Amino acid sequence: KAGVTQTPRYLIKTRGQQVTLSCSPISGHRSVSWYQQTPGQGLQFLFEYFSETQRNKGNFPGRFSGRQFSNSRSEMNVSTLELGDSALYLCASSPYLEGGRGETQYFGPGTRLLVL
Amino acid sequence: ELKVEQNPLFLSMQEGKNYTIYCNYSTTSDRLYWYRQDPGKSLESLFVLLSNGAVKQEGRLMASLDTKARLSTLHITAAVHDLSATYFCAVLLSGGGADGLTFGKGTHLIIQP
Repeated sequence: KAGVTQTPRYLIKTRGQQVTLSCSPISGHRSVSWYQQTPGQGLQFLFEYFSETQRNKGNFPGRFSGRQFSNSRSEMNVSTLELGDSALYLCASSPYLEGGRGETQYFGPGTRLLVL
Repeated sequence: ELKVEQNPLFLSMQEGKNYTIYCNYSTTSDRLYWYRQDPGKSLESLFVLLSNGAVKQEGRLMASLDTKARLSTLHITAAVHDLSATYFCAVLLSGGGADGLTFGKGTHLIIQP
């Protein structure tokens, strides 16, 4: 099976712009989660989508949003970019919601976003 | 609020030695995950530990879980250079992970010849 794919891999934006990142989960996986990784804050949970519905949300401002499509592909959007949004954004997929049966989450390669 | 603490955060060791990374968490959980991350790369799943007393081994790595002590360990046996990486533990809250996985800060492991 192909792994989790994320596009684009690298992105440079300026403050105030918005950005959309895309994630395609492993075939058959219905849960997609997004994480932000920075040197200072480490890995932080953004949100989880399952069956096109946001099920869980981390402690991030409303500028961070996402959606999931009927084929389980997911996008996340960050509006009004700030310098502090520079990070590696990781998408993870699993078959079940919240690791429902103890399945691990499989992570994609990430999108590295630099905000200037 | 669930807190996950790993120690040590940095570890430099010689090949052939044994060492243990510790992962403590603050709230009841019965799902603990270990991941490996190489520089500039994504997270690779190592182990999923689901119950008290669970022990899993893969090559030179062995992970265990003590849910009563809220402690997991990742033991490295006879380390080799290829194991140099950052290791993360992550915990999912029991009864529904409203906050997704909560990660420790990671242990940056350097294994020197």
